[in-house]
Amino acid sequence: DIQMTQSPSSLSASVGDRVTITCRASQSISTYLNWYQQKPGKAPKLLISAASSLQNGVPSRFSGSGSGTDFTLTISSLQVEDFATYYCQHSYSIPPYTFGQGTKLEIK
Amino acid sequence: QLQLQESGPGLVKPSETLSLTCTVSGGSIISSSYYWGWIRQSPGKGLEWIGSVYYGGSTYYNPSLKSRVTMFVDTSKNQFSLKLSSVTAADTAVYYCAGETVTTPLVWFDPWGQGTLVTVSS
Repeated sequence: DIQMTQSPSSLSASVGDRVTITCRASQSISTYLNWYQQKPGKAPKLLISAASSLQNGVPSRFSGSGSGTDFTLTISSLQVEDFATYYCQHSYSIPPYTFGQGTKLEIK
Repeated sequence: QLQLQESGPGLVKPSETLSLTCTVSGGSIISSSYYWGWIRQSPGKGLEWIGSVYYGGSTYYNPSLKSRVTMFVDTSKNQFSLKLSSVTAADTAVYYCAGETVTTPLVWFDPWGQGTLVTVSS
């Protein structure tokens, strides 16, 4: 199975900060990488597909980049509603489709 | 707007079979745009994809769970279901159903149900 490793596992930041979360795959996955946001007690919400395609309705302060094994999710100017846990997920080749362990973004 | 809702027992005894159903509303489960997936989340293992089913009946499962998993679709009720046999405490988790968009080879999960907690305990 392809393993997805996110860093950091947790992150403290302030409103207005620029934040970057990294996801690394154990082998090349081209750009078959998605990002989700999860708030406490809620289901994950798809933010970005194919490494960099922003989903409809997702604020433009979110962006994704990368290919191969290294990917980043960037929030350009943190808002209060962005404090949540973020997950990456690959869909390269055959299943299983694995998720990263998550990055919890907390208010400093 | 497509919406999904999980239902089923919140408590299952060890060695028994966990059964959950996901009801799709706002659209038809007979859709070439979606597979229908199950994903679970436990503190110990994070998010784990369990498997997916197509309205025509084809399925694919996580190899780690394949021997215990069955998924099927009931098109008359616009529902799909998960059965997980021989459960143990390790199967305690929040179980989500989700629409799985397949633009081969890219696959993503959206929308998601709200999730249902299943506890395995005697």
